[in-house]
Amino acid sequence: GQNIDQPTEMTATEGAIVQINCTYQTSGFNGLFWYQQHAGEAPTFLSYNVLDGLEEKGRFSSFLSRSKGYSYLLLKELQMKDSASYLCAGMDSNYQLIWGAGTKLIIKP
Amino acid sequence: IAGITQAPTSQILAAGRRMTLRCTQDMRHNAMYWYRQDLGLGLRLIHYSNTAGTTGKGEVPDGYSVSRANTDDFPLTLASAVPSQTSVYFCASSDSADNQPQHFGDGTRLSIL
Repeated sequence: GQNIDQPTEMTATEGAIVQINCTYQTSGFNGLFWYQQHAGEAPTFLSYNVLDGLEEKGRFSSFLSRSKGYSYLLLKELQMKDSASYLCAGMDSNYQLIWGAGTKLIIKP
Repeated sequence: IAGITQAPTSQILAAGRRMTLRCTQDMRHNAMYWYRQDLGLGLRLIHYSNTAGTTGKGEVPDGYSVSRANTDDFPLTLASAVPSQTSVYFCASSDSADNQPQHFGDGTRLSIL
């Protein structure tokens, strides 16, 4: 079966670094997406990885290991506005996204 | 501003009623999607359309139908609403039906009583 696992909730301190992990199992693989979703709002695209390694985009970076079925999203210099849910999604062989339930990130001052 | 517009924003509906959720995009994207989002679960794909004139079933299509008469519009219809269809519904689009990022509308919060 297809499955995406990520922690339900994480807490971090403003100005710190946090890593949100995701393990995936999909039928075929066409990449791994990360989205941010603030409460009551739409998901917004953060990053896409299809090759192994780290993709850096400002304060956010995303890593992929295809052999381990593993990805993480790294957020640096945390700001209060980063409080949101972070959704991991794997793209299967039919180019359909399989979504995790999301990790709710709480930032404390 | 270019994007995806969903209507209504929210709706309370009696069980057994018919309801159409509207979705319009002005980005000329080929692919469009309907998801439902329930607490504690990931987004689940209801139906999708890779291009105007074609539609396909996602993970949870039962009780829902869609049409794609043109590029811009992708309405979702609940023929006879049931309480288990209470959810937040998101419409999304992408430039093509491959590994392009999907862009989401603001969602429709639907309650079936």
